[in-house]
Amino acid sequence: GENVEQHPSTLSVQEGDSAVIKCTYSDSASNYFPWYKQELGKRPQLIIDIRSNVGEKKDQRIAVTLNKTAKHFSLHITETQPEDSAVYFCAAVSGTYKYIFGTGTRLKVLA
Amino acid sequence: GAGVSQSPSNKVTEKGKDVELRCDPISGHTALYWYRQSLGQGLEFLIYFQGNSAPDKSGLPSDRFSAERTGGSVSTLTIQRTQQEDSAVYLCASSLVSGEPGVEQFFGPGTRLTVL
Repeated sequence: GENVEQHPSTLSVQEGDSAVIKCTYSDSASNYFPWYKQELGKRPQLIIDIRSNVGEKKDQRIAVTLNKTAKHFSLHITETQPEDSAVYFCAAVSGTYKYIFGTGTRLKVLA
Repeated sequence: GAGVSQSPSNKVTEKGKDVELRCDPISGHTALYWYRQSLGQGLEFLIYFQGNSAPDKSGLPSDRFSAERTGGSVSTLTIQRTQQEDSAVYLCASSLVSGEPGVEQFFGPGTRLTVL
């Protein structure tokens, strides 16, 4: 079946450094790629998303890139801050509802 | 105005008992999703509702799992004869429409189920 691979599973960076999380999907029909942030004990919340007709999208310190040919997309966080520490999930969506989530990346920003 | 709510927030049950989990989506959201999140794992899709119908039940792990939605609003996920491997956080999400790609899902706080 369809799946989404996400790497790394854990990532530690020094405050101020950049963090990159990568996902690869298998379903070529996927056309929407959201990223969710889940802080400890809280619900996942959407932080940025990208559609298949766009190669890159940026929102302040967060950016996402998409390579449809290679079927992978990445989350980039620049100038990391302690409050960026959380678990990040990528997802590949096909059709109108079929969300396939990655297994998550636990990001730790060290002060 | 409130977001997605779920109840109970925590449920501890004995193996073999039935449990019922409830989800109240955001008012007006026609699409509703159930996911399961095991410790340290990603989000496992269980079932999707469009209105009161469930066009995709493919994620339900076994016939012990069932879900329904009434009035296009509240949904309940029922697990019969619970097993220890059912222990997880069960998350509900809703979205405004499900006719276009890329509509944001809003998650509830989840129900943490522990089967002893």
